[in-house]
Amino acid sequence: NAGVTQTPKFRVLKTGQSMTLLCAQDMNHEYMYWYRQDPGMGLRLIHYSVGEGTTAKGEVPDGYNVSRLKKQNFLLGLESAAPSQTSVYFCASSYVTLDQPQHFGDGTRLSIL
Amino acid sequence: DAKTTQPPSMDCAEGRAANLPCNHSTISGNEYVYWYRQIHSQGPQYIIHGLKNNETNEMASLIITEDRKSSTLILPHATLRDTAVYYCIVRVRNTAGNMLTFGGGTRLMVKP
Repeated sequence: NAGVTQTPKFRVLKTGQSMTLLCAQDMNHEYMYWYRQDPGMGLRLIHYSVGEGTTAKGEVPDGYNVSRLKKQNFLLGLESAAPSQTSVYFCASSYVTLDQPQHFGDGTRLSIL
Repeated sequence: DAKTTQPPSMDCAEGRAANLPCNHSTISGNEYVYWYRQIHSQGPQYIIHGLKNNETNEMASLIITEDRKSSTLILPHATLRDTAVYYCIVRVRNTAGNMLTFGGGTRLMVKP
């Protein structure tokens, strides 16, 4: 099983450019999440989704948009990239029931110049 | 979610058991203890979780004290590939928007 797959793995952008990060999971999970991790820090939740067609804001949503048109995919968009958005982005997914853990992808390393 | 306290770093000899402690003295009755690890440059990896009973899976064992104020993750036969940062997280069961809060964790170095 692939689990959670993130594309691309690396990207360099110029300030003001836009891009979309793709997360795909093959575990039929209802919940999906986007986190960012800055050097020496823990993960911070950007946006999350509890099902197809629904999204909600997390801890640090400004400057990002998301969409979940299909259950298995969760897209994270940067409309106008800023250097402060240089980070490693992790996608995660989980079942909704009881105590099920989150499963993570290997991340997208994004640098904005 | 309850706050957790972990030692910042630990060493372990390859082949020996690694015992990673975690204090969570403010844990409430409906909060689970989760353990994740993050190997350099990779995404966090789920290891194990429990509520009050000890748990074991193919990766590790989780020992939770009777008062639930602390727990220990045990890697029975540590290998070099177990070198990583280990995070103890206490949270209620999965609810919408209930993100994982990763603290500083314990940096485990497995040495030959």
